[in-house]
Amino acid sequence: DAKTTQPTSMDCAEGRAANLPCNHSTISGNEYVYWYRQIHSQGPQYIIHGLKNNETNEMASLIITEDRKSSTLILPHATLRDTAVYYCIVRVKGGNKLVFGAGTILRVKS
Amino acid sequence: DVKVTQSSRYLVKRTGEKVFLECVQDMDHENMFWYRQDPGLGLRLIYFSYDVKMKEKGDIPEGYSVSREKKERFSLILESASTNQTSMYLCASHRDPLVEQYFGPGTRLTVT
Repeated sequence: DAKTTQPTSMDCAEGRAANLPCNHSTISGNEYVYWYRQIHSQGPQYIIHGLKNNETNEMASLIITEDRKSSTLILPHATLRDTAVYYCIVRVKGGNKLVFGAGTILRVKS
Repeated sequence: DVKVTQSSRYLVKRTGEKVFLECVQDMDHENMFWYRQDPGLGLRLIYFSYDVKMKEKGDIPEGYSVSREKKERFSLILESASTNQTSMYLCASHRDPLVEQYFGPGTRLTVT
């Protein structure tokens, strides 16, 4: 599975969009980009995934560059409850394992 | 609402004790996992199971064993707990193919 690089931490004002970047320059053609988050003292939670098209669900949007070497997770109106560690994971669909890196600590501030 | 539950949120055990961590999922998932999470090391896979009575070693299986006698239940066993097994333990499950992995709330184990 391809390696990902994320900033260690980011701050965002409450009500503003939070844009979390992820670099995955060695991604293969059959690898998807997955995002999970982990709120303090809870288990990780799935957010969204995509292959090459932009994706949107009730939680977030995922923007993947045309060359697929990077992506951005967008939380359109961040709230204090979105404060969490956000993990970008690249892997083939299916299989058994998710490999979690260090992630990005997002702090939403009022 | 999908659910993965773990038997305890907090557990304190003594060195050398045998420790059982239980995980139950109500989603009829084939695949179940045990991770541990430590500061600076992220989540590391201990063991996983893709069917009843089947198990596979993850990245750090030493000092642990698992049991899956029923589809919904996956147990992690520390045969003789040691202080370096103090950690947050997370159980997870998913159906095939893996898209969304569901996690339990975690068990914070302290071995003294």
